[in-house]
Amino acid sequence: DGGITQSPKYLFRKEGQNVTLSCEQNLNHDAMYWYRQDPGQGLRLIYYSQIVNDFQKGDIAEGYSVSREKKESFPLTVTSAQKNPTAFYLCASSATSGRLNNEQFFGPGTRLTVL
Amino acid sequence: KNQVEQSPQSLIILEGKNCTLQCNYTVSPFSNLRWYKQDTGRGPVSLTIMTFSENTKSNGRYTATLDADTKQSSLHITASQLSDSASYICVVASGGSYIPTFGRGTSLIVHP
Repeated sequence: DGGITQSPKYLFRKEGQNVTLSCEQNLNHDAMYWYRQDPGQGLRLIYYSQIVNDFQKGDIAEGYSVSREKKESFPLTVTSAQKNPTAFYLCASSATSGRLNNEQFFGPGTRLTVL
Repeated sequence: KNQVEQSPQSLIILEGKNCTLQCNYTVSPFSNLRWYKQDTGRGPVSLTIMTFSENTKSNGRYTATLDADTKQSSLHITASQLSDSASYICVVASGGSYIPTFGRGTSLIVHP
């Protein structure tokens, strides 16, 4: 799991609630990413950020929001607009230069369940 | 469109046996290819990373090969152990993009 932490490990949400998933890294990486993983499917990109105070939508950004106020932190908010939020959420980070450019390091994941 | 296809989707083998997982990609321009191991309920962990000039890379009992001409890679696991039971994900990075392309993974189950 490298130097990336995610919290909480398990999260339960009632319908209509917003919840925020935490992701912190101490690898001094510029780029950070959020992925969603559903059974039998590959990782799907929600949002990514290449630098502080900037982020871009991924393939499935609807119903999610992010912020990147600090290099080390990239929290993900799952809003009530996300109709099917139950999934396993993975945060990753990568360097943007050097030989290991683009190699992503993943956190341990957060499993979100809607009650 | 960049794509990564993995086969088989799932595989069951007996402990001690060898196995090979396949990855075909259509990512261009190619930068590097990585194999990750993901245990159930955990984040993926990198096993190997290969650039265009590398055609084989080993990490213990794991050996990855890359044929950049045919755009194929394989991951060979030798003398499998119960702890090898996991999903193995092939990821291909494109030059100039921070966003890699993920395969759907191969689910490996090792039985005693």
